[in-house]
Amino acid sequence: AQKVTQAQTEISVVEKEDVTLDCVYETRDTTYYLFWYKQPPSGELVFLIRRNSFDEQNEISGRYSWNFQKSTSSFNFTITASQVVDSAVYFCALSIYAGGTSYGKLTFGQGTILTVHP
Amino acid sequence: NAGVTQTPKFRILKIGQSMTLQCAQDMNHNYMYWYRQDPGMGLKLIYYSVGAGITDKGEVPNGYNVSRSTTEDFPLRLELAAPSQTSVYFCASSTPSTGTGRTEAFFGQGTRLTVV
Repeated sequence: AQKVTQAQTEISVVEKEDVTLDCVYETRDTTYYLFWYKQPPSGELVFLIRRNSFDEQNEISGRYSWNFQKSTSSFNFTITASQVVDSAVYFCALSIYAGGTSYGKLTFGQGTILTVHP
Repeated sequence: NAGVTQTPKFRILKIGQSMTLQCAQDMNHNYMYWYRQDPGMGLKLIYYSVGAGITDKGEVPNGYNVSRSTTEDFPLRLELAAPSQTSVYFCASSTPSTGTGRTEAFFGQGTRLTVV
């Protein structure tokens, strides 16, 4: 069975601070995918990124960056120069490779509530 | 683009009542999913479908039923509502059948269900 742990239940920062959201996962499969989703106060889930288990390259997209380390089973997410609009619940998720359902049959962490104060 | 559409957005049920949560997608996705999100928790998979006529159980299927008669629709049925089914329900779809385009799961806006 797979498991995703987001140890930080809530994080509160002041605007322009950098913040890192931690994600640790467990799986016995060698081929898997890792995801981050954002859930703003409006409630929908917004896809942010997907990485496969063979690609440990870090990725940067604007103010967002992700650090994937297989050695520690971690897939951490950093927001640089945080903004009030970043306030949301962030979920890390895992799926094992299973054909087409790999992208939607997800095991979620419990989420981290990020609040960015002006 | 409508994406994934869920109806209703809110519903209050009495214990023992039944209802169907509707989900429709217009992205020609093969795969569809139902998740529930309890307060302070991540989403848990209830059922999923890999195509019309094919469904399978997820992590928490008890108390629910699904059917998939068309590619577009994937309704979730609650037969005898219980307070433990109070949750926010999300429908999602993924993977275009054409083999091209974005493959990640797209989620609906959610249905907030309260059983009293």
